[in-house]
Amino acid sequence: DIVMTQSPDSLAVSLGERATINCKSSQSVLYSSNNKNSLAWYQQKPGQPPKLLINWASTRESGVPDRFNGSGSGTDFTLTISSLQAEDVAVYYCQQYYSSPVTFGPGTKVDIK
Amino acid sequence: QVQLVQSGAEVKKPGASVKVSCKASGYTFTSHYMHWVRQAPGQGLEWMGIINPGGDRTTYAQKCQGRVTMTRDTSTSTVYMELSSLRSDDTAVYYCARDIGPGAQYIFDYWGQGTLVTVSS
Repeated sequence: DIVMTQSPDSLAVSLGERATINCKSSQSVLYSSNNKNSLAWYQQKPGQPPKLLINWASTRESGVPDRFNGSGSGTDFTLTISSLQAEDVAVYYCQQYYSSPVTFGPGTKVDIK
Repeated sequence: QVQLVQSGAEVKKPGASVKVSCKASGYTFTSHYMHWVRQAPGQGLEWMGIINPGGDRTTYAQKCQGRVTMTRDTSTSTVYMELSSLRSDDTAVYYCARDIGPGAQYIFDYWGQGTLVTVSS
């Protein structure tokens, strides 16, 4: 199974400041047939199911604010929230869908400083 | 709009079985694969398996293989997840999650509200 790790475990950022979350896979998730990385990001607020933010490492889902940006390739990925808003307080998970079983990172909790 | 509505919370004893339902609406039921993902209290997300509502084909994660069964009823646009021989470490919130498609992409674009299954003697 591909093991996903995330750093940091948690972070606190001032409103309007940048938040950066890192995700690393134990092997490359670059899909050679389309040259895209099989990596998604989800946001989970307390008591709610996860919400898909980004797929293919950098493609934002419809309706997701453009302050959320995904980047990276191969085994190293980053989710950046460019200007943190109060409603962004949540746990963020990365997920690889390169191979079965799909696996998730342990999550990064984002709070307001 | 797409909605996935799951059945209510369950409390089961060790060794028992539980069957969770997920009723889909707002889209063509047979056009999107459906997954089940679980989340133990305070923990991360674990993929359990996938079912093709259009053809009833299933694939299960090895961890749950032999104990999990996913089925569907196209007449009611409902998928089911049954987990048998329950253990305390099966205590979790169980989510159904729609595959973004087309086909099985293993990207989850809509999620049910979750069903808490508690296994306790």
